[in-house]
Amino acid sequence: GESVGLHLPTLSVQEGDNSIINCAYSNSASDYFIWYKQESGKGPQFIIDIRSNMDKRQGQRVTVLLNKTVKHLSLQIAATQPGDSAVYFCAETSRSSASKIIFGSGTRLSIRP
Amino acid sequence: DVKVTQSSRYLVKRTGEKVFLECVQDMDHENMFWYRQDPGLGLRLIYFSYDVKMKEKGDIPEGYSVSREKKERFSLILESASTNQTSMYLCASSPPTQGTNTEAFFGQGTRLTVV
Repeated sequence: GESVGLHLPTLSVQEGDNSIINCAYSNSASDYFIWYKQESGKGPQFIIDIRSNMDKRQGQRVTVLLNKTVKHLSLQIAATQPGDSAVYFCAETSRSSASKIIFGSGTRLSIRP
Repeated sequence: DVKVTQSSRYLVKRTGEKVFLECVQDMDHENMFWYRQDPGLGLRLIYFSYDVKMKEKGDIPEGYSVSREKKERFSLILESASTNQTSMYLCASSPPTQGTNTEAFFGQGTRLTVV
């Protein structure tokens, strides 16, 4: 069945270091992937997305990498800041699933001063 | 900016009550979703709707129903609330997948406690 999972449920990084959050997906038909950030007491917010015809996309301090061969997605955050503390979710969707968006279980990122 | 508004931030209901969770979006999005969020389980899809009066079951529809009478409003209904439905409920909306940008926009969430 479809599933989107994360390799680590929690991640602790030193302020200023780079963070890498990983995600595995199982639906080969997925063609659009999204990373969300959820801060305490708020709904998830869009960070960056990538389509299946790409393997890398960069935003401001964030980069998403997609490896379709091994069905792996990662989010890299450069120079991690205290404001990056949150739970990060990957999500997938495909045209064949009638707009259904499937989320992973989330990774909590904490920043050490 | 897209705005998805959920009618309540916190709700406390009794077992057996019928509960309505309301969600309104202002971006004319075709798709709307209801998720529940529980620790360690992430976001699980309850129901989604891709058009007015259209709905499809998600992964955990049991004990829930939905209503989409108008494009901007998507209601989640707990026919007879039970304690295992205590959770954070998140509503989201998105344009159709045929578009170039299909990200979902979320509301702030409703924390429901069933006692």
